[in-house]
Amino acid sequence: KQEVTQIPAALSVPEGENLVLNCSFTDSAIYNLQWFRQDPGKGLTSLLLIQSSQREQTSGRLNASLDKSSGRSTLYIAASQPGDSATYLCAVRYGGSQGNLIFGKGTKLSVKP
Amino acid sequence: NAGVTQTPKFQVLKTGQSMTLQCAQDMNHEYMSWYRQDPGMGLRLIHYSVGAGITDQGEVPNGYNVSRSTTEDFPLRLLSAAPSQTSVYFCASSYGGGNEQFFGPGTRLTVL
Repeated sequence: KQEVTQIPAALSVPEGENLVLNCSFTDSAIYNLQWFRQDPGKGLTSLLLIQSSQREQTSGRLNASLDKSSGRSTLYIAASQPGDSATYLCAVRYGGSQGNLIFGKGTKLSVKP
Repeated sequence: NAGVTQTPKFQVLKTGQSMTLQCAQDMNHEYMSWYRQDPGMGLRLIHYSVGAGITDQGEVPNGYNVSRSTTEDFPLRLLSAAPSQTSVYFCASSYGGGNEQFFGPGTRLTVL
């Protein structure tokens, strides 16, 4: 069964720290992987999309990497800010462009001022 | 662009009632989908559509019905609500299934 795991479930860091969020997946034959942010009571906001042929994507203070052989992706957040506090979700697409997204349960990040 | 919109934001139903959750997007996206989010379960796909007139089942389709008569709209119908359908429902869209997904703000549904 294709599964996506995010560890830890929750993380608390002081403002200014660089941090890494982890996502692992059981089947390396992915089509692409997407990182989302979800604020309490809100929808999901897309952060980064990595195609299976790519190794990393960057947007501002965010950098996502993909290692298919080890079944892992990381989301690196530089110089964290209290506004980064949210739940971060990883989703993997299998089975080509029409395949379904398999979501992890998320990492709840709290950045303390 | 309004992006992906969902109505209502909140809804309370009694067991056995039926209702339709509305989803619309103004980005001319071909691919639309419905997810439910439950505590400890993550998001799970209910139904999806790759274009007007084409729909298919996701991971948890039982108790739900969809149709896609236009590119813009993708309503989700609950045929006979059950307490197990208490959840937060999200609609998403993209240019194609494999492209970046954009999500709506969600509908919080409680079935008593």
